[in-house]
Amino acid sequence: QVQLQESGPGLVKPSETLSLTCTASGVSISGYYWSWIRQSPGKGLEWIAYIYSSGSINYNPSLRSRVTLSVDTSRNQVSLELSSVTAADTAVYYCARAGHNYDADYWGQGTLVTVSS
Amino acid sequence: QTVVTQEPSLTVSPGGTITLTCASSTGAVTSSYHPSWIQQKPGQTPRALIYSTSNKYYWTPARFSGSLLGGKAALTLSGVQPEDEAEYHCLLYYGGGALWVFGGGTKLTVL
Repeated sequence: QVQLQESGPGLVKPSETLSLTCTASGVSISGYYWSWIRQSPGKGLEWIAYIYSSGSINYNPSLRSRVTLSVDTSRNQVSLELSSVTAADTAVYYCARAGHNYDADYWGQGTLVTVSS
Repeated sequence: QTVVTQEPSLTVSPGGTITLTCASSTGAVTSSYHPSWIQQKPGQTPRALIYSTSNKYYWTPARFSGSLLGGKAALTLSGVQPEDEAEYHCLLYYGGGALWVFGGGTKLTVL
């Protein structure tokens, strides 16, 4: 079955870069869009961006200037970098597959990233 | 900036029926927004429930249904169970910019 697993540091200092990786199993990265979504404590979901397996990317305009996405088909992974983080970037970060119906059909378990000195 | 609006909270009795809605600041929600619905139980990972307005995943219980209602996307739960207590998020796709926008979520209490 499709499984997604996010990984990366749980603590990032203000002004530094948050880096996360999502590893897919049970499905090939190829042929799909892969999305990053976050949820600040007690808040709703916020779409960050998604990347196609070929490298085409669409961004949330409010985060575009700080977001870098990449895909590694050989490792079946997608990665997120968010630069110049502040406390407002503290959230659970999820990766999700964007299905062929513009939906987020499979989700990782999420990883909590706290921005603090 | 595009805003997607959901009811912040709703309460329903076990066995009852309730409809949650999802509105767009850009106007009426149509099928071209491919509305989808995601359930998130407390402390759990989000789980997709409905895609493209009204289609169910194989894991979606039959009591959940999606539709368009009065210019909004709608999620109806019929015969609500206690385990349906959760946050429900709607997701709209804005094709012009190929963007996703989530609603703020509806906290459903079964009481």
